[in-house]
Amino acid sequence: GQNIDQPTEMTATEGAIVQINCTYQTSGFNGLFWYQQHAGEAPTFLSYNVLDGLEEKGRFSSFLSRSKGYSYLLLKELQMKDSASYLCAVMDSNYQLIWGAGTKLIIKP
Amino acid sequence: GAVVSQHPSRVICKSGTSVKIECRSLDFQATTMFWYRQFPKQSLMLMATSNEGSKATYEQGVEKDKFLINHASLTLSTLTVTSAHPEDSSFYICSARDGREVTEAFFGQGTRLTVV
Repeated sequence: GQNIDQPTEMTATEGAIVQINCTYQTSGFNGLFWYQQHAGEAPTFLSYNVLDGLEEKGRFSSFLSRSKGYSYLLLKELQMKDSASYLCAVMDSNYQLIWGAGTKLIIKP
Repeated sequence: GAVVSQHPSRVICKSGTSVKIECRSLDFQATTMFWYRQFPKQSLMLMATSNEGSKATYEQGVEKDKFLINHASLTLSTLTVTSAHPEDSSFYICSARDGREVTEAFFGQGTRLTVV
């Protein structure tokens, strides 16, 4: 079956760095997405990786290793507004998104 | 970036009534639209996929007669929750994919449905 695993919850300190991991097993692979979702709101797009390596976008970076079925989202210089759930999703061979359960990130002052 | 508008953002309805939720792509043609529901503290659950001009494909366990989806044009899809019950209370989210780009989907703002 298809499976996306990510930690349920993480806590970090304002100004610090946090890495959220995601492992996946899917039927085919057409890219991996990271979304941010604040409580009561729809997800917003953060990043898309289809090739191995690191993609950097401001304070956020995303890494992919297709051979290991692994990705991480790296958040630097954490701000209180970064408190949210972070969803990992993989697009399978049918171009359907398979969603992880999300990681709730709590930022403490 | 592309914009998807979902309406209404919140709705409260009485048990037994029907509720219609609209999802519009504002600046692109959405050949495919997706409807999700999300329970508190859980991830998105795909309910159905609709392609313009054809019947929606429902995920296993989703009642197609209860959740009616219409994708009549390239910019509009609707989800109608028929004979709503309190257990249908949830956060419903649509997303739309531009036919020219298969790798990105854009989300609407979501609809919080409360059935009393």
